[in-house]
This record gives sequence, C-alpha cells and structure tokens, in this order.
Amino acid sequence: AQSVSQHNHHVILSEAASLELGCNYSYGGTVNLFWYVQYPGQHLQLLLKYFSGDPLVKGIKGFEAEFIKSKFSFNLRKPSVQWSDTAEYFCAVNYGGSQGNLIFGKGTKLSVKP
Amino acid sequence: ETGVTQTPRHLVMGMTNKKSLKCEQHLGHNAMYWYKQSAKKPLELMFVYNFKEQTENNSVPSRFSPECPNSSHLFLHLHTLQPEDSALYLCASSQAGLAEETQYFGPGTRLLVL
Repeated sequence: AQSVSQHNHHVILSEAASLELGCNYSYGGTVNLFWYVQYPGQHLQLLLKYFSGDPLVKGIKGFEAEFIKSKFSFNLRKPSVQWSDTAEYFCAVNYGGSQGNLIFGKGTKLSVKP
Repeated sequence: ETGVTQTPRHLVMGMTNKKSLKCEQHLGHNAMYWYKQSAKKPLELMFVYNFKEQTENNSVPSRFSPECPNSSHLFLHLHTLQPEDSALYLCASSQAGLAEETQYFGPGTRLLVL
C-alpha cells in the first residue's frame, strides 16, 4: 500500500541548531511531494512543494527540501531554527497524479528551545 | 486565516444522534476535501469533491455522508457514529483538484462521540 513515513515523532532543538526532518514514501512512480506545517493554534498550511524541475525546493521562512528519487525521500531542512519554528510538520505525497488525493505522514513535532 | 471556515469548532454527540459539519471556502476553488485526524494516526483523506461531483471515497463507512451543494460549501452528515469516530475533522479546498495544487485547510471540527 502507498504510505509516507516520517522517522521522528518529536524533535527538540535549541535555537540556531540545524534541522533535518526525514520523509520517505513507498511508491516509485510519479509523485508530487509536499511539506505542510501547523503552528500552535493555527491551520495546517503549505511550507513547500515539489512537482517537477529542480529537486531542491525552497519554501517559506528559510525552509528547503530535496527530492531524491533513488531514495524515495523528501527531507526537510533549515540551517538555523528559531523559536518561532516550533510547530508540527507533515510530509504528504500525491501518487501518480491522482488529482488531489494526498497521503500524509504521521507528522513530526518540533520544539525549539529559546 | 486561510479562507476556509468550519462550523462547529467543537461537537459532542451521542451514538444515536444526527449532526452535520459544515465547511465553507471563500477562495473561489472548485475542489473540496474532508480529512480525519485521529490521535497518533496520519491525516486520512475521506472524500474529494471536484466541481460538486464526488471523485473519491476512501472506503468511508456509510454513517458518514458528504454533501456538496455548490463549489463553496461542503457538509459532512453524521449518523449513528461510534466512539472510535472521535477525531478532528478537517476540510480543505484547492483550485481544481489537480495533483500539484496546494490545499488550503480549515481549522477543523473537534468531534467527541459518547
């Protein structure tokens, strides 16, 4: 079955530390890849997405993600986190261009200590 | 504020009750979605409507009945639910239901079934 794995349930970092959140998906065909973020008390919102072109995608607030097809991965990175990055991060995949059918990972909660 | 509103924000119902969740989007989109977010499980797509037509039903039990009277409104009618249906129900919309589109999420309805 198609699935998305996020390896870390909860990550705790100090401000200025570098961040990498893992995301792997299970299918090898055409995929569209997304990272969504949910800040405390706010709606789920898009951080960045990949659907074609340069596999290194830049999003809002200094985040980026790299699509590595051979590893079925789409890891999220930020070189220096801030306290305001405290949130839950969700990786999502659309398989085979099936309209808007997104499959989400379980999410990774990021806590940044000031 | 993402332009997608949901009412009510919280709902407590007994197993014999009938209730409805409402979603409205003010973004001019043509695709709308219902998701279920249970504790410790990934966000699960339930239904997809594209131009008012249901295009996806992810094996959802018949006690959940969606309705999309127009492209701006989406309802989820609830009937004889079970305690395991307690969850956060999220609505989302996107421009035309295409695979690479960003989905815009509402704040969710927190449902408790007693």
